[in-house]
Amino acid sequence: QKEVEQNSGPLSVPEGAIASLNCTYSDRGSQSFFWYRQYSGKSPELIMFIYSNGDKEDGRFTAQLNKASQYVSLLIRDSQPSDSATYLCAVIGRGATNKLIFGTGTLLAVQP
Amino acid sequence: DTGVSQDPRHKITKRGQNVTFRCDPISEHNRLYWYRQTLGQGPEFLTYFQNEAQLEKSRLLSDRFSAERPKGSFSTLEIQRTEQGDSAMYLCASSSPLDGSSYNEQFFGPGTRLTVL
Repeated sequence: QKEVEQNSGPLSVPEGAIASLNCTYSDRGSQSFFWYRQYSGKSPELIMFIYSNGDKEDGRFTAQLNKASQYVSLLIRDSQPSDSATYLCAVIGRGATNKLIFGTGTLLAVQP
Repeated sequence: DTGVSQDPRHKITKRGQNVTFRCDPISEHNRLYWYRQTLGQGPEFLTYFQNEAQLEKSRLLSDRFSAERPKGSFSTLEIQRTEQGDSAMYLCASSSPLDGSSYNEQFFGPGTRLTVL
């Protein structure tokens, strides 16, 4: 079992819709969770961080964390074509280095 | 703050050759990470430096790989006797425990894309 699992997609949504991206993790001791956006050929860019159960909102983005179910999600409201990218879920790995353990990423395509 | 820079951006080499990549972190970031990303996968951790000390190496980092950060500023990643399986994007990231956040955000460089023929 991979430490962080995501559906690779592609997830296709129409412009203006809500995109829902999901991620599960295997280490019950994980504390911090990240969503990175990666455009094709570019490097990852942090868009959301969450460490408490529940929802965290930032503009059109909402991260949801359920530690009991070991599940993290990202909602993108009013999806725009510019949101089309790969979304990477990551957790901090064991140890003191804060290294990130990434999932494979979900490719989101927003159709105009 | 000019961000994390990496050089070269692209490298094409023949199997068996040695290659070296450079990463310049954000000024005063004492934490530096190397990751490798292959097509369709997320980045995978390779190694971590705190200042000049290499404190963690992944099992992915075979003995053909070596990384240094001699003065605690820029870092180099060398791959000896490259193999086709080394073809990937090599990403560098830096962070600082003094950035005021609670989560020590890692900022990624643009990456070096390696192609081994």
